[in-house]
Amino acid sequence: NAGVTQTPKFRILKIGQSMTLQCTQDMNHNYMYWYRQDPGMGLKLIYYSVGAGITDKGEVPNGYNVSRSTTEDFPLRLELAAPSQTSVYFCASSSEGLGNTIYFGEGSWLTVV
Amino acid sequence: GEDVEQSLFLSVREGDSSVINCTYTDSSSTYLYWYKQEPGAGLQLLTYIFSNMDMKQDQRLTVLLNKKDKHLSLRIADTQTGDSAIYFCAEDTGRRALTFGSGTRLQVQP
Repeated sequence: NAGVTQTPKFRILKIGQSMTLQCTQDMNHNYMYWYRQDPGMGLKLIYYSVGAGITDKGEVPNGYNVSRSTTEDFPLRLELAAPSQTSVYFCASSSEGLGNTIYFGEGSWLTVV
Repeated sequence: GEDVEQSLFLSVREGDSSVINCTYTDSSSTYLYWYKQEPGAGLQLLTYIFSNMDMKQDQRLTVLLNKKDKHLSLRIADTQTGDSAIYFCAEDTGRRALTFGSGTRLQVQP
């Protein structure tokens, strides 16, 4: 069972470059999330989506964009990479937002130099 | 707003019990969760408790919830070296995403 799949697992970016973190899930979940985890910190919500065509900002959305054209995919785009975006990024999904298990991908380690 | 706080580090000996504590501030939380993160991996759900319960037991894991003090704890009985990881407390206030604490690193010494 694939679950939540993120790519790439590791990436080094130069300041000002752009990139897209891919996320796909095969559980037919409506809710999908992007979190970032800075060293020694908990997870901060960047963006989330409650269904195809619907996205909303989380706690730390600045510098990121998302889209949700299908139920399965929820890519995260960094337009102008900055050192402050060096972090581990986790995509997650759940069948509903309240009280249902959230499944996480394995994470994407991004370094901006 | 809400904030979830945890101590950063806990060290125990193999075979002892571990108790990881968490405090939260949002009294409207309906579910509270414990997640485990092993090095280089994503988060895995360990267990959760609904806000109308004060205890839940699942094999070696016991979750205690004190709603009055907004305090949540996770007890791991007979702690093993494989339990070494970071443990995250998280609350679900119905705002469509979980709020996580900063995690407690559990180190189990042989």
